Amino acid sequence: NAGVMQNPRHLVRRRGQEARLRCSPVKGHSHVYWYRQLPEEGLKFMVYLQKENIIDESGMPKERFSAEFPKEGPSILRIQQVVRGDSAAYFCASSLQGFESLHFGNGTRLTVT
Amino acid sequence: GIQVEQSPPDLILQEGANSTLRCNFSDSVNNLQWFHQNPWGQLINLFYIPSGTKQNGRLSATTVATERYSLLYISSSQTTDSGVYFCAVGSSGGGADGLTFGKGTHLIIQP
Repeated sequence: NAGVMQNPRHLVRRRGQEARLRCSPVKGHSHVYWYRQLPEEGLKFMVYLQKENIIDESGMPKERFSAEFPKEGPSILRIQQVVRGDSAAYFCASSLQGFESLHFGNGTRLTVT
Repeated sequence: GIQVEQSPPDLILQEGANSTLRCNFSDSVNNLQWFHQNPWGQLINLFYIPSGTKQNGRLSATTVATERYSLLYISSSQTTDSGVYFCAVGSSGGGADGLTFGKGTHLIIQP
C-alpha cells in the first residue's frame, strides 16, 4: 500500500550543478503536482502533470526548471544551474482525478551550497 | 489569483483542549482541503471538503462556500496534533488545477 514516493529525501548541490527530484505517485494515480515550500511558509504550486502531458506550469519559474511525467517511470522535477535561492523543500502530490484529495510524498529537501 | 487567509497564525494549547482553526478565501471554490504537516515535515490530507461538514474521529471540518470560509475543529487535543495546519483551495474561476495554500496555523499542544 505504497503512498507517494519521493527520492532522494535530502539533496545537496553546489551552485551551478543540476538537481533531479523524483516522484512516484500512488499506484493508479495519473495526476501529479509539484509544490515548493520555503522555510516558515506555505506550499507554492509549481506544475501539474498527467502522463506525458504538462497541464499547467504557471507556477514554475520560466528558466532552469522543467518537469516531466513520462509514460513509464516516475515524474521528474529538474533544476539546472541551481542557485542558493532554490534551497527549499519540494513536495510531490498525486490524485486519482484532478479534483480529488491530494496525497503528498515526504518531500525532497534541497540544499544549495 | 485567489487569496487564502488562515487564523490564528499560532496557537498554544494544553492537552485535552479544543480548538477551532479558520480559513477565509477570496473567491468561489470548487475544491478545499485541509492538511496537517507534522514536525517531521510530512503532509497528511485531513479532509476534502469543498462544502458541508465532515467528521473523522476527533477532527471535523465545515465549509460554508457561500460565505467563503472553512473551519477545522480539533477536540480533546493530543501532543501528536502539534504541527502546522494548512487550508488549500481550488478556484471555480478556472486557472491552475493546483491548489492555493494558506500560510497555515502553527499549533503546539503542551502536555
